[in-house]
Amino acid sequence: SQTIHQWPATLVQPVGSPLSLECTVEGTSNPNLYWYRQAAGRGLQLLFYSVGIGQISSEVPQNLSASRPQDRQFILSSKKLLLSDSGFYLCAWIAGADTQYFGPGTRLTVL
Amino acid sequence: KNEVEQSPQNLTAQEGEFITINCSYSVGISALHWLQQHPGGGIVSLFMLSSGKKKHGRLIATINIQEKHSSLHITASHPRDSAVYICAVRFNAGGTSYGKLTFGQGTILTVHP
Repeated sequence: SQTIHQWPATLVQPVGSPLSLECTVEGTSNPNLYWYRQAAGRGLQLLFYSVGIGQISSEVPQNLSASRPQDRQFILSSKKLLLSDSGFYLCAWIAGADTQYFGPGTRLTVL
Repeated sequence: KNEVEQSPQNLTAQEGEFITINCSYSVGISALHWLQQHPGGGIVSLFMLSSGKKKHGRLIATINIQEKHSSLHITASHPRDSAVYICAVRFNAGGTSYGKLTFGQGTILTVHP
């Protein structure tokens, strides 16, 4: 069966520290993967998407970067976190028009 | 500009009431999703619609392509239905859309016993 894993589930980091959030999927190959962020009081916003290994598209300019080192692994990173990076980060896998899977999310608080 | 608008932003109901949440979008879409987000943050996909109507248990989702509008109905609401309900659409963008979704702001539903 198809599953998305994300870790960590929660994270508290100081401003200026690095970040690495990981997303892995099971039960599929060559998935289209997405990173979304939900800032406090706001809707979900697409940050990055990837259609294959090493292929990353960014939707909004920001302090974050993404990488796809393996077919079923998608990583969200930052070299120096900002307060505005706080939020709820979701990894998603969309397999065709009918199938949408979301990971459990990571709640990031930058202090 | 591709936009998704939901209403109401907040909805409070008594257990047993019939609930409707609305979603409007600005231009043509290839798919519309209704999602449920619980307080812990996890998101569950409830429905994917491209036309007509779908029903699952006490949940009903409809879409009117011509009017660019969708509704999510909950019959006989229950406190466990309390959550944020999110409408998300995939706008028609040819072969470059890669399934990207645009999300509404969400509707916070609270059902009291």
